[in-house]
Amino acid sequence: DAKTTQPPSMDCAEGRAANLPCNHSTISGNEYVYWYRQIHSQGPQYIIHGLKNNETNEMASLIITEDRKSSTLILPHATLRDTAVYYCIVRVRRGSQGNLIFGKGTKLSVKP
Amino acid sequence: GAVVSQHPSWVICKSGTSVKIECRSLDFQATTMFWYRQFPKQSLMLMATSNEGSKATYEQGVEKDKFLINHASLTLSTLTVTSAHPEDSSFYICSSTSEGYEQYFGPGTRLTVT
Repeated sequence: DAKTTQPPSMDCAEGRAANLPCNHSTISGNEYVYWYRQIHSQGPQYIIHGLKNNETNEMASLIITEDRKSSTLILPHATLRDTAVYYCIVRVRRGSQGNLIFGKGTKLSVKP
Repeated sequence: GAVVSQHPSWVICKSGTSVKIECRSLDFQATTMFWYRQFPKQSLMLMATSNEGSKATYEQGVEKDKFLINHASLTLSTLTVTSAHPEDSSFYICSSTSEGYEQYFGPGTRLTVT
């Protein structure tokens, strides 16, 4: 599975949009981009995933560049509860198989 | 998302004893469950993958005789840390997945070995 590069940390003001970048320049054509987050001392939480089209759900939006070499997770109105480590992971979607390989992620701090 | 539970949420045990951690998939039947370990200020590291009814596949460097994994049903997997030592103190997290489902994680179990 391809590796990703994320900034180690970011700050965001409460109520503003948080834009978290991820580079995955070696992504293969059949690999998806996944985002998870981990709030302190909890298990990771699934946020969103996509292949090449932009995706949106109740938690966030995922913008994938046309060449698929990078993506951005957008939290439209960040709250203090969004403070967490955000992981960008690329992997083949093999149905029920396929473990997730976690990098170091981006520690997002939402400040009042 | 789907709900995965773990029990206990935290446990303290003495060195040399064994500890069992349960992972339950509450919303769907999980054909595959994963066990991860996370040390302070580090990322999650996969320990093993278990498919229901078959032996677990362990990652390189993880001792299968020390970390016993049982996936006897589609909703339950257990991890037993045998003869625990202080260096086994960590945050253990399980996850569940199945065809048509993403991978959902449990809340984690904090193990402290004294």
